[in-house]
Amino acid sequence: AQKITQTQPGMFVQEKEAVTLDCTYDTSDQSYGLFWYKQPSSGEMIFLIYQGSYDEQNATEGRYSLNFQKARKSANLVISASQLGDSAMYFCAMRVASGYSTLTFGKGTMLLVSP
Amino acid sequence: NAGVTQTPKFRVLKTGQSMTLLCAQDMNHEYMYWYRQDPGMGLRLIHYSVGEGTTAKGEVPDGYNVSRLKKQNFLLGLESAAPSQTSVYFCASSRSAGTSYGYTFGSGTRLTVV
Repeated sequence: AQKITQTQPGMFVQEKEAVTLDCTYDTSDQSYGLFWYKQPSSGEMIFLIYQGSYDEQNATEGRYSLNFQKARKSANLVISASQLGDSAMYFCAMRVASGYSTLTFGKGTMLLVSP
Repeated sequence: NAGVTQTPKFRVLKTGQSMTLLCAQDMNHEYMYWYRQDPGMGLRLIHYSVGEGTTAKGEVPDGYNVSRLKKQNFLLGLESAAPSQTSVYFCASSRSAGTSYGYTFGSGTRLTVV
């Protein structure tokens, strides 16, 4: 079975600073994908970034980057130059190759960006 | 660009009542999913479908039934609602089961059972 652990229920950051949201995962599969989603207060789920288990370079999408440390089984999201609009719930998720794979989500981290 | 549409967006039910949540996608995706989101619990998979006419149980299937009679629609039913089913329900779809394929989510249904 797959498991995603997000140990930070809440995080605070000042505008324009960088912040790292932690995510560790557990799976016996060698082939898997890691995803981060953002959920603002309006409730929709917004895809941010993806990292494949065989990708040698860390994924980046604008101000988002994924710090992928395979040996540690961690996939931390780094948001550079935080903006007020980054205040939201962030979910880490994983999808493995075996069977009819589904996304397994962590419990989420609430990020609050202050002026 | 409808994507995944969930109806209704809000609903209040009395204990014991039944209802059906509808999910419709216009992307010709094979895979569809129903999740529930509760505070501090993340998203948990209720049921999913890997194609028209198929359904399978997820992590928390008890008290729910599903049907996928048409490829574009995935229905979630509550036969006898309980307060423990108060939650936000998300439907999602995916083009493939491959590890690089994420989901397209609907906007969610907020259900309150009193």
